[in-house]
Amino acid sequence: QSALTQPASVSGSPGQSITISCTGTSSDIGSYNLVSWYQQHPGKAPKVILYEVIKRPSGVSNRFSGSKSGNTASLTISGLQAEDEADYYCCSYAGFYIPYVFGTGTKVTVL
Amino acid sequence: QVQLVESGGGLVKPGGSLRLSCAASGFTFSDYYMSWIRQAPGKGLEWVSYISSGGTTIYYADSVRGRFTISRDNAKNSLYLQMNSLRAEDTAVYYCARVPRPDLYAFDIWGQGATVTVSS
Repeated sequence: QSALTQPASVSGSPGQSITISCTGTSSDIGSYNLVSWYQQHPGKAPKVILYEVIKRPSGVSNRFSGSKSGNTASLTISGLQAEDEADYYCCSYAGFYIPYVFGTGTKVTVL
Repeated sequence: QVQLVESGGGLVKPGGSLRLSCAASGFTFSDYYMSWIRQAPGKGLEWVSYISSGGTTIYYADSVRGRFTISRDNAKNSLYLQMNSLRAEDTAVYYCARVPRPDLYAFDIWGQGATVTVSS
């Protein structure tokens, strides 16, 4: 099972919106609405910010939103803030024996 | 306070063994599926293994199958990862993580991580 493909880096100015793509296959993202997204600040554990493509856990800012089309999921961060500077990883259910596959990760820089 | 705390990391020689532990608190551990996820230095996240709440269903990534064993002791609120035949490429921070629902396939609570270094 290969890792999902994400852009290595995305940047934006404060207040702008950015979108991070996560491309998989018809065996993972394309077949299930079980994509989650994680934010990881340097030296810290990841934190879930979206699950089941579009759902936000309690306490997560509504500036984070998700979508999916075909084999590609996307995370949009609107009203970019300095605290959003972090690494972001997507993750998808990938089937019975290898249930999880992560994305390659995207470093978000706030200019 | 819901919390996961890993322990047992360290430096080990190639071919050696190590056992990681993850202590859970603040929730009913026996109700939840759990996973191990690792992150090599400067690299991305890699799912390693998964165990059902009762320990009857277990899956492994291809990269560790046959060398790593996941287990749990619900009476002790603890998750384990026995790592044998360790290789340099197993060097990583190992996180334990909680699966909020069996059908959700996401991770809602993460530990702080345990560092494993495989080097001669």
